[in-house]
Amino acid sequence: GIQVEQSPPDLILQEGANSTLRCNFSDSVNNLQWFHQNPWGQLINLFYIPSGTKQNGRLSATTVATERYSLLYISSSQTTDSGVYFCAAETSGSRLTFGEGTQLTVNP
Amino acid sequence: ETGVTQTPRHLVMGMTNKKSLKCEQHLGHNAMYWYKQSAKKPLELMFVYSLEERVENNSVPSRFSPECPNSSHLFLHLHTLQPEDSALYLCASSQDVRDRIAFFGQGTRLTVV
Repeated sequence: GIQVEQSPPDLILQEGANSTLRCNFSDSVNNLQWFHQNPWGQLINLFYIPSGTKQNGRLSATTVATERYSLLYISSSQTTDSGVYFCAAETSGSRLTFGEGTQLTVNP
Repeated sequence: ETGVTQTPRHLVMGMTNKKSLKCEQHLGHNAMYWYKQSAKKPLELMFVYSLEERVENNSVPSRFSPECPNSSHLFLHLHTLQPEDSALYLCASSQDVRDRIAFFGQGTRLTVV
């Protein structure tokens, strides 16, 4: 099945800083999503982005499908951005496969 | 609030107990899923239901028994679990199994003692 690798595994920021999270995947995908899991376990879909660029407020994501990676940008980070960010990818022959996540801590 | 509600939020059970996890979605979706999230591991898909029929079972031990009585409700019946089954169990739903966007519940934190 498809392999999904995320980096870095952990990231600590001061409030107001910008960050970039990376997701590499091993196969051509027809589905690429970014999720945020808050400290209470709730998993929220941030972006459905199998290719191209999308922006939603302070968050944006870019997927370069031909090079098999996706990036999640967080600008002007806030403490409420803390949690685990997951990338998940799906191919025509497999279900959505999650990476191990990036644990983000934003300090005041 | 994502429209997917899981109960209980926390559960502690002994290895000889029988318990059930419940998931309810208020989104009118036709597909529902159980995922397992263990510490330091990616989410693992356990079961997929489409219109109340199980369409996927990813080599899950028989001590986990899913039930989908209607398209709004999904249960996971647990019996004779092992300590390594302790994890966060997440339910999700989507419009149908081909829909790319899934909505997740808050999960049940299960501890097996």
